[in-house]
Amino acid sequence: AQSVAQPEDQVNVAEGNPLTVKCTYSVSGNPYLFWYVQYPNRGLQFLLKYITGDNLVKGSYGFEAEFNKSQTSFHLKKPSALVSDSALYFCAVRDGKGDKIIFGKGTRLHILP
Amino acid sequence: NAGVMQNPRHLVRRRGQEARLRCSPMKGHSHVYWYRQLPEEGLKFMVYLQKENIIDESGMPKERFSAEFPKEGPSILRIQQVVRGDSAAYFCASSRETSNQPQHFGDGTRLSIL
Repeated sequence: AQSVAQPEDQVNVAEGNPLTVKCTYSVSGNPYLFWYVQYPNRGLQFLLKYITGDNLVKGSYGFEAEFNKSQTSFHLKKPSALVSDSALYFCAVRDGKGDKIIFGKGTRLHILP
Repeated sequence: NAGVMQNPRHLVRRRGQEARLRCSPMKGHSHVYWYRQLPEEGLKFMVYLQKENIIDESGMPKERFSAEFPKEGPSILRIQQVVRGDSAAYFCASSRETSNQPQHFGDGTRLSIL
């Protein structure tokens, strides 16, 4: 069965510093991996995805994520954090055969001015 | 280019009443998904539908909950005889047919049970 883990409930980063939000996954086939962001009282917004190809994926708002097959990880990164990046971030995985996406429990990112 | 539209945004019901939540997918999207989110928690998958078909309802409670996605009109998530524990945010997402496409989410319906 597929699953995704976000080991940190909350991450605090000073504005201007690099940020990382961690995600590990487990699927039976080839993974399709996604990151979403959720702002208060809103739905999830798609940030980026990994399907195949380059392990480093670039997405919206300057975010990127690195697919690491050996570590089954897909950590979200940004070189320089903004206060406006403060939100709830969800990692998600779908195996290559299925239609259902499984979401992690989310990581709350606080960017401190 | 309208996104996924959910209505109402907020719904208040008394225990025992019925709640009907509507979702219109993005144009060109034929797959609809419903999720439930409790405060400070992640998304829990409920049901996956294509037009006129329920594909996966493994996350749906066996009683009181039902979903449909008719040939014409929005997808409906229906909760009968609501209880306090049904209070949550319910999100709908839609996607194109291929499995490597991301899901696009609506802004949710916040259901409160008095």
